[in-house]
Amino acid sequence: AQSVTQLGSHVSVSEGALVLLRCNYSSSVPPYLFWYVQYPNQGLQLLLKYTTGATLVKGINGFEAEFKKSETSFHLTKPSAHMSDAAEYFCAVSYNNNDMRFGAGTRLTVKP
Amino acid sequence: GAGVSQSPRYKVAKRGQDVALRCDPISGHVSLFWYQQALGQGPEFLTYFQNEAQLDKSGLPSDRFFAERPEGSVSTLKIQRTQQEDSAVYLCASSSSWNRETQYFGPGTRLLVL
Repeated sequence: AQSVTQLGSHVSVSEGALVLLRCNYSSSVPPYLFWYVQYPNQGLQLLLKYTTGATLVKGINGFEAEFKKSETSFHLTKPSAHMSDAAEYFCAVSYNNNDMRFGAGTRLTVKP
Repeated sequence: GAGVSQSPRYKVAKRGQDVALRCDPISGHVSLFWYQQALGQGPEFLTYFQNEAQLDKSGLPSDRFFAERPEGSVSTLKIQRTQQEDSAVYLCASSSSWNRETQYFGPGTRLLVL
């Protein structure tokens, strides 16, 4: 069975500070990994994904994530937070293209 | 259309009432997914279609939930005899045959059962 754990349901950073949102997965086979962002009253928007190849993945809006197999992690980072980054972020794992499992989400607050 | 659309965006139902939620996927996308997102939680998988075939319905919580996609495009999620625990946001997503691992989500339908 596959599952996703997001450490920290709420993360607060100052504008301009580093953003680090943590995600660990459990999967019996090499997974596909995703980060989605959800703004209030909107659907999920794909930030980035890892399928195969380079383990450092760059996404939209300056976000990136690194797949670390030895740590079963796929943490999301951004060097400098912007006020517009405030949203809910979801990590997800899939290995058969059909069964995507999401974490519980991390709410990011950006302070001026 | 440019993206996945869902209607209605908001639905208030009285307990015991039947509801139908509609999803219009991205044109040409063969795969369609339904998820249920409870307040403060991540989306949970309900069911999956490839064209008109429902290949996985293991996530449907009870036999009150029924989904269809008769012509392989628009899909409807129907909930019969709604209960308060059905209150959630219902998300639809679609993916293409050449990029199956990437799902594109609609804005969701927020269902409130009173």
